Amino acid sequence: QSTLTQPASVSGSLGQSITISCTGSSSDVGRGNFVSWYQHHPGKAPKLIIYDVSQRPSGISDRFSGSKSGNTASLTISGLQADDEADYHCCSYAEFPTWVFGGGTKLAVI
Amino acid sequence: EVQLVESGGGLVQPGGSLRLSCAASGFSFNWYVMHWIRQAPGKGLVWVSRISHDATTTSYADSVKGRFTISRDNAKNTVYLQMNNLEAADTATYYCAADVSYKIDYWGQGTLVAVSS
Repeated sequence: QSTLTQPASVSGSLGQSITISCTGSSSDVGRGNFVSWYQHHPGKAPKLIIYDVSQRPSGISDRFSGSKSGNTASLTISGLQADDEADYHCCSYAEFPTWVFGGGTKLAVI
Repeated sequence: EVQLVESGGGLVQPGGSLRLSCAASGFSFNWYVMHWIRQAPGKGLVWVSRISHDATTTSYADSVKGRFTISRDNAKNTVYLQMNNLEAADTATYYCAADVSYKIDYWGQGTLVAVSS
């Protein structure tokens, strides 16, 4: 059970857009559409922001979007806001029935 | 209001045991797959274990297989993680999480487990 690969950190200015990648293999990200993304502010519970690669739960801003190509999934945040500064984790359903997370990406809004 | 409240964490010596509990409320607990997920200090989230809604199937990360046991009591809306033969590498904040349809809808705030002599 390996870890999905995410950049350790990304940064963007207020109002800009950023993209976080999440690279796995044909055994996880590439095998289906069960990729999800979680926003995690330190000291708080993680929060689901994207599921099934590109679906947003009710109440999540359309500034958050997801996509996938082959073994790499991506999270894009547009119109960066100060409150977007957090850790972002991707997750994929892998070989039945296990799950695998990425190493997490720290987003700095400057 | 949905709540997942973990308890049972603490400081334990290498080789020791702990039992984590997670009490759920505000949603239909017996419909949900439940997970334990951990985060070591300064590291990313790591999936640990999962139990089906009816407790008929369980699965574990290789790193804990044979040492950890997940269980649930749907009558008490509670999921457990029995951790035996703990190692320093098990030091982390442990989150319980609720999953329906391959997405984790609800997370707890976490409980800290520290393994040290």
